[in-house]
Amino acid sequence: GAVVSQHPSRVICKSGTSVKIECRSLDFQATTMFWYRQFPKQSLMLMATSNEGSKATYEQGVEKDKFLINHASLTLSTLTVTSAHPEDSSFYICSARGQRNTGELFFGEGSRLTVL
Amino acid sequence: AQTVTQSQPEMSVQEAETVTLSCTYDTSESNYYLFWYKQPPSRQMILVIRQEAYKQQNATENRFSVNFQKAAKSFSLKISDSQLGDTAMYFCAFLNRDDKIIFGKGTRLHILP
Repeated sequence: GAVVSQHPSRVICKSGTSVKIECRSLDFQATTMFWYRQFPKQSLMLMATSNEGSKATYEQGVEKDKFLINHASLTLSTLTVTSAHPEDSSFYICSARGQRNTGELFFGEGSRLTVL
Repeated sequence: AQTVTQSQPEMSVQEAETVTLSCTYDTSESNYYLFWYKQPPSRQMILVIRQEAYKQQNATENRFSVNFQKAAKSFSLKISDSQLGDTAMYFCAFLNRDDKIIFGKGTRLHILP
């Protein structure tokens, strides 16, 4: 199956700093990627849809200026958490749709962000 | 609004037993995809099985099979001959016409030795 790689897997930062998380599709081109947030023992919450070459589409309640998404190429989307605060600590997961229109999503390994 | 409901927050079964995880969903669409994803302790999301709504035949992948009841909007997952490695969080998911996947709250499954 298709491979999606996410980096870093774990990051710890100080409050007020910005953190960038990368999501790469390794063996296919992904025009659309999705970013999710997952709180402990909860489901995945869709944050935004990242579209190559255009602005991301954010879900209701997600701060665009807090969570900057860039999809500059067909294989890379980045999520930048700006001016991070402890409440931004969470598990962030990206996914990409495969080229075949089967609806299947391929997920990255996830990134655990801890803001001190 | 489209919703996915998993009514069993947590389940435990003995190794080698069969277990069924329930899932219901609500939609007015006639064609869509349904999925079961597994999230083990590593937290990597893994696709278990996929069902296309226009196909009446229930999908099967080795020990995993679904009971898809379109009229009842039900999509349960059966795991046969359960193994310790099946211990994970299982999410039922629905792909809507906007190309977004909606996840249920999940069922935490424990396979006991």
